[in-house]
Amino acid sequence: EAGVAQSPRYKIIEKRQSVAFWCNPISGHATLYWYQQILGQGPKLLIQFQNNGVVDDSQLPKDRFSAERLKGVDSTLKIQPAKLEDSAVYLCASRTWARRRGVEGTDTQYFGPGTRLTVL
Amino acid sequence: AQSVTQPDIHITVSEGASLELRCNYSYGATPYLFWYVQSPGQGLQLLLKYFSGDTLVQGIKGFEAEFKRSQSSFNLRKPSVHWSDAAEYFCAVGARVRNRDDKIIFGKGTRLHILP
Repeated sequence: EAGVAQSPRYKIIEKRQSVAFWCNPISGHATLYWYQQILGQGPKLLIQFQNNGVVDDSQLPKDRFSAERLKGVDSTLKIQPAKLEDSAVYLCASRTWARRRGVEGTDTQYFGPGTRLTVL
Repeated sequence: AQSVTQPDIHITVSEGASLELRCNYSYGATPYLFWYVQSPGQGLQLLLKYFSGDTLVQGIKGFEAEFKRSQSSFNLRKPSVHWSDAAEYFCAVGARVRNRDDKIIFGKGTRLHILP
C-alpha cells in the first residue's frame, strides 16, 4: 500500500513570495490533515478535511494560508505571502474512521514525509 | 481543552539500557492516546495507541506504554534500547469534535539520544 505522498520535499523562498504544497493521501482515506511543525515543537493542526469539506480550520491563518481538496482526494496548501515565521515542516496526514467491535474509535493517522519550508 | 505535556526535552541513555519517556495529558473525558516517533527528515510513525481496555499497550519496535488514569499519564517504555531508536518521540491525545470526528494534539516532543 502506497503511503502519503507530499511534494516538494524542500522549498526555499524569500519573504512575501508565494508557495504551494501538494499532498496525495492513502487511497480511500476520507480524512486529510495539514500540520505545521516548527523546529523544536510538535505538529500543530492547520486544517482538517473530511472528503472535500473542511471540518476544522480554526488554527489556519486565513489571511495568508489557504487549502483545498476539490475532488476529495489530493490537497494543496498555499501560503501567500510568506513570512519568516512560516519556516517549518508542513506535514500531511490521512486516515480512515474505523468502528471497532462495540467501541468507536479513531483509526491511525498516517503521515507523509513532509515539506521543509525555509523563508529567507 | 485537551493538552499534552512531555516534561523532558532531551533524554540520553546508553545502548542496551531501559527507557521511559514521560507524557502527561489533560482531557475531561477518556482520551485516545498515541505515541509517534520521528526520525530526522522523516514523517511521523505511529508506535502505539490506546483507546480503551487493557491499560498496558504493546507497540512496534519493542515499545510499550501504560495508561494511568489516576496520574493522567501515558509513559512510553522499552526494556533495552538500540542505537536505531535515536529519534524524536511525540505523545499525542485525541479528542472527539462535535461527536463526529477527532483531532490530535501533540506534545512538544522528547529527543532521545543513545550513547554507544
